[in-house]
Amino acid sequence: GQQLNQSPQSMFIQEGEDVSMNCTSSSIFNTWLWYKQDPGEGPVLLIALYKAGELTSNGRLTAQFGITRKDSFLNISASIPSDVGIYFCAGLLRAGNNRKLIWGLGTSLAVNP
Amino acid sequence: NAGVTQTPKFQVLKTGQSMTLQCAQDMNHNSMYWYRQDPGMGLRLIYYSASEGTTDKGEVPNGYNVSRLNKREFSLRLESAAPSQTSVYFCASSGQGHTEAFFGQGTRLTVV
Repeated sequence: GQQLNQSPQSMFIQEGEDVSMNCTSSSIFNTWLWYKQDPGEGPVLLIALYKAGELTSNGRLTAQFGITRKDSFLNISASIPSDVGIYFCAGLLRAGNNRKLIWGLGTSLAVNP
Repeated sequence: NAGVTQTPKFQVLKTGQSMTLQCAQDMNHNSMYWYRQDPGMGLRLIYYSASEGTTDKGEVPNGYNVSRLNKREFSLRLESAAPSQTSVYFCASSGQGHTEAFFGQGTRLTVV
C-alpha cells in the first residue's frame, strides 16, 4: 500500500536550535497535514497545505507542500521546551469520491533546556 | 469547546471480554474515524464513517465492529478482546472527508 517516509525518526536538540523534518512518498498527494502529539494526548493539527509549492507558517512553524506533490517539510525555528512531542505528517490521496489519509510514523522531538 | 470526547480514558480487560469505546463530537462533522496507535506503527485506521448511516473498513478492521449511532456518535466494539488489541485508541472527526481531522484524547486499553 501507499507509504510515507518520515524522517528523522527522532531528534534531540538544544533549546534555541532550529528543527527540520520531512515526509516523502512515491505517491502524489492532494493535501499535506502536519500534526503534533503531546505525551498522553491525541494529535493536534498544526498546519494544512493544499497546493503544490504552498508555504505556510504558524508562529515558529513553517511547512511547505513540495512542487512534485510527493513531499512536504516542517521547520521549527528557535525551539523551546514545549516543542517536545511527536510530529506526524499525513497526506491525502483522492481517487474519484474516495479519500484516503496516509500517515507517517512520526518524528520524536526532544529539547534540552 | 469539547471537540471530540472519548470514554473511557483507561481500561483493562481480560482476554475474551467485550467492551465498547464511545466517541462523540460536537463540531457537526460528517466523517468520523477510529485509529489505533502502537509503538513504531504510527496511526492505523480501523474503521471510518464518511457520513451518518455509513461505515467502512480501514487498514486493520479485524476483531472490531463499529456503529455510527447518529451524526455525533461513533462507537467501537471489541467483541472478544485479545492481547494483540492492547493499544491506544483514538477517535477523530472531520468536516470534509479525510482532511483536517480533529482527535480525541485517546483510550488506553490493556488486554491481559
